[in-house]
Amino acid sequence: KAGVTQTPRYLIKTRGQQVTLSCSPISGHRSVSWYQQTPGQGLQFLFEYFSETQRNKGNFPGRFSGRQFSNSRSEMNVSTLELGDSALYLCASSLGTGRYNEQFFGPGTRLTVL
Amino acid sequence: AQRVTQPEKLLSVFKGAPVELKCNYSYSGSPELFWYVQYSRQRLQLLLRHISRESIKGFTADLNKGETSFHLKKPFAQEEDSAMYYCALSRHSGYSTLTFGKGTMLLVSP
Repeated sequence: KAGVTQTPRYLIKTRGQQVTLSCSPISGHRSVSWYQQTPGQGLQFLFEYFSETQRNKGNFPGRFSGRQFSNSRSEMNVSTLELGDSALYLCASSLGTGRYNEQFFGPGTRLTVL
Repeated sequence: AQRVTQPEKLLSVFKGAPVELKCNYSYSGSPELFWYVQYSRQRLQLLLRHISRESIKGFTADLNKGETSFHLKKPFAQEEDSAMYYCALSRHSGYSTLTFGKGTMLLVSP
């Protein structure tokens, strides 16, 4: 069974631009969560989607948004990029929502903002 | 708000020595605790979770609600245990949201 895939793997943008990251969950998984990983703050929760609905949102500004499609694939968008948005963005999928569902992580997208 | 604290950024031990990776949490409710591991050049993956009470790769972790701790232990470290270890907490049964600690790098020397 193929794992969680994220595209692109690496991205370089300049301040003020916007970016869209994509996540394809494991086949059959309906829940997708996004995390931001930085050396200073560690892993921080961004969003959780289940059946195209945002179930939970972390403490990030409105520049960070996401969505989930009917095939469970998910995208996250960051508008008006800032230097501090440079991070590894991880996507995780699980069969269902709820803490008893094991989450499987993707390899991440490394975003660099210049 | 919930918080997970891993006091050690780096733990260095020799092969065969016991290992204890510390994790403390703050949450007033009934949390579910996890340990995730990331080996070099690999994805973050679940090592074990409190509710299953399993021993994975020789690692165990006991939830101590009185001390709000969930320390990860292994009696005899192996070189292949070298990795980054993250303690995580899930506070709400209806969500998958995880709150992570900042991680501890375990280095096992021969």
